Amino acid sequence: AQSVTQPDIHITVSEGASLELRCNYSYGATPYLFWYVQSPGQGLQLLLKYFSGDTLVQGIKGFEAEFKRSQSSFNLRKPSVHWSDAAEYFCAVGPYNQGGKLIFGQGTELSVKP
Amino acid sequence: KAGVTQTPRYLIKTRGQQVTLSCSPISGHRSVSWYQQTPGQGLQFLFEYFSETQRNKGNFPGRFSGRQFSNSRSEMNVSTLELGDSALYLCASRPGGGQSTDTQYFGPGTRLTVL
Repeated sequence: AQSVTQPDIHITVSEGASLELRCNYSYGATPYLFWYVQSPGQGLQLLLKYFSGDTLVQGIKGFEAEFKRSQSSFNLRKPSVHWSDAAEYFCAVGPYNQGGKLIFGQGTELSVKP
Repeated sequence: KAGVTQTPRYLIKTRGQQVTLSCSPISGHRSVSWYQQTPGQGLQFLFEYFSETQRNKGNFPGRFSGRQFSNSRSEMNVSTLELGDSALYLCASRPGGGQSTDTQYFGPGTRLTVL
């Protein structure tokens, strides 16, 4: 079955420090992969997506993610975190031939220390 | 362009009642998806509509239903509400109805509380 695992439920980093949020997926074929961010009381905003090609993808707000097929991973990174990055981050898989359906991980809540 | 709008934003119902939630997609978007978000189960796909037709459905009981109108606005209905239906219901729109390569734009959600 298709699934997405985000091993870290909650991460705290200091402002200015680097960030890596982990995501592992289980899917038989090349997946469509996404990272979304949700701020309190808000809907989800797409940070970046990967379909094919260059395995390092750039997104908005200075985020990037790297697709590693051998590790079934799609980790999200940011070199220097800002206090405004505090939010919940969701990794998602878009199964092939299922339209817009997304399978989400459980999310990682990011706290930023001043 | 206005974003995805959902009404109402907050709703309180009692067990056994039914509820209808509304979603207006971004202008020009023809596909609308619905998701349920709870602390225990996370974000779960309910269904997707494109051109007034349900294209895909998640693993939810028949009490959850939806529809889409010719102007792409969508409604979802939950009948015979249960306590476990308390959740944030999110709707997302995208331009087309094909594979999920389109960016999906999410609304702010409707917070449903069942007492």
